Amino acid sequence: SAVISQKPSRDICQRGTSLTIQCQVDSQVTMMFWYRQQPGQSLTLIATANQGSEATYESGFVIDKFPISRPNLTFSTLTVSNMSPEDSSIYLCSAKGGAGGPIQYNEQFFGPGTRLTVL
Amino acid sequence: KNEVEQSPQNLTAQEGEFITINCSYSVGISALHWLQQHPGGGIVSLFMLSSGKKKHGRLIATINIQEKHSSLHITASHPRDSAVYICARRKTSGSRLTFGEGTQLTVNP
Repeated sequence: SAVISQKPSRDICQRGTSLTIQCQVDSQVTMMFWYRQQPGQSLTLIATANQGSEATYESGFVIDKFPISRPNLTFSTLTVSNMSPEDSSIYLCSAKGGAGGPIQYNEQFFGPGTRLTVL
Repeated sequence: KNEVEQSPQNLTAQEGEFITINCSYSVGISALHWLQQHPGGGIVSLFMLSSGKKKHGRLIATINIQEKHSSLHITASHPRDSAVYICARRKTSGSRLTFGEGTQLTVNP
């Protein structure tokens, strides 16, 4: 299995500011993902964080709003830029095992989430 | 129709009861995941299965590939089992997860 930690666990931010969320995995993983969960909703995939290259964004999400970094196989950041109250959500980091890695292939793990409130 | 449907949406039980949460999906899968989300928001991966049955402690997950149906059972339920249980399917080995809407379970003492 993999243990994923996220920082911060929660934050309250002002409209127009930006917040960077950090995600650390305790073992090397092939794929890392960022999800958003709006109140009362299921998880929505924002993007796949690719190591050493630009993230792959899902429809409706853009790099200018949600820039993502992944400098190595265990760490990623998601920035929520120019925030508005509509960005108030739980943001979850996730990691998936790949072929030959320390985690079972296709097993997917999730972090504890970052609960963001934008005023 | 959602690709992944869970039932019931909400479930209230008394401590000690046997609980079943159901998940149906509309297309074939490579894997079916059961996840647990506590009020703080963090998600724990409970099971990943592609056939048969898996057991971990008081939790049992089963899947019927032909019927495109999976169940999560909790034996001897406890208030600490209170959480949202989410079913998610992966269509092919490289594809993304598709999530159900979740089942809110409340176990009263």
